[in-house]
Amino acid sequence: GAGVSQTPSNKVTEKGKYVELRCDPISGHTALYWYRQSLGQGPEFLIYFQGTGAADDSGLPNDRFFAVRPEGSVSTLKIQRTERGDSAVYLCASSQGQTNTEAFFGQGTRLTVV
Amino acid sequence: SQQGEEDPQALSIQEGENATMNCSYKTSINNLQWYRQNSGRGLVHLILIRSNEREKHSGRLRVTLDTSKKSSSLLITASRAADTASYFCATDAGGYQKVTFGIGTKLQVIP
Repeated sequence: GAGVSQTPSNKVTEKGKYVELRCDPISGHTALYWYRQSLGQGPEFLIYFQGTGAADDSGLPNDRFFAVRPEGSVSTLKIQRTERGDSAVYLCASSQGQTNTEAFFGQGTRLTVV
Repeated sequence: SQQGEEDPQALSIQEGENATMNCSYKTSINNLQWYRQNSGRGLVHLILIRSNEREKHSGRLRVTLDTSKKSSSLLITASRAADTASYFCATDAGGYQKVTFGIGTKLQVIP
């Protein structure tokens, strides 16, 4: 596609439920990133994929969070047993995977846990 | 954790004036980038400056980088109401583009 696409754009879920957030990167981009942004803060790194593998998952806050990218394209961020503190905008970005290249961001998924 | 810190956190100027935002960071970097964000959603890449560059221009944007002071500035000249947004600096230190964002400067340009 023309840009990074994230679905859904908004998600409201009850505390304790499981959610999946999807990211379609720009075609041909090997690098994919997930960030989380809370109100009034900058985006916070969660995980980075190079191809199918998670090259750096050091930003995942705990084991309730997991992300996959099985075919090296679409990625899914999975959150188990959601908590109210998980409420944030989840941003996905992709790039060509080389240094000194621009990352393109999607519009994000606003997750609200009630 | 957030490496960059933008200053000021909020800035309000009249249309036509110049806006200057500063960013300080803590560790050595390969690149520094500036992004813009409208309404708390997607970020738009503005400019990338490499650690061996000192100044870069793009249209009405001018970015400087001082690696000895671990700081960067973004200047927007002849501001427009459409420039109203939050501006973030982002640094990367690894061999790939894992960027770490600051908390941003909220710019308001009054028509």
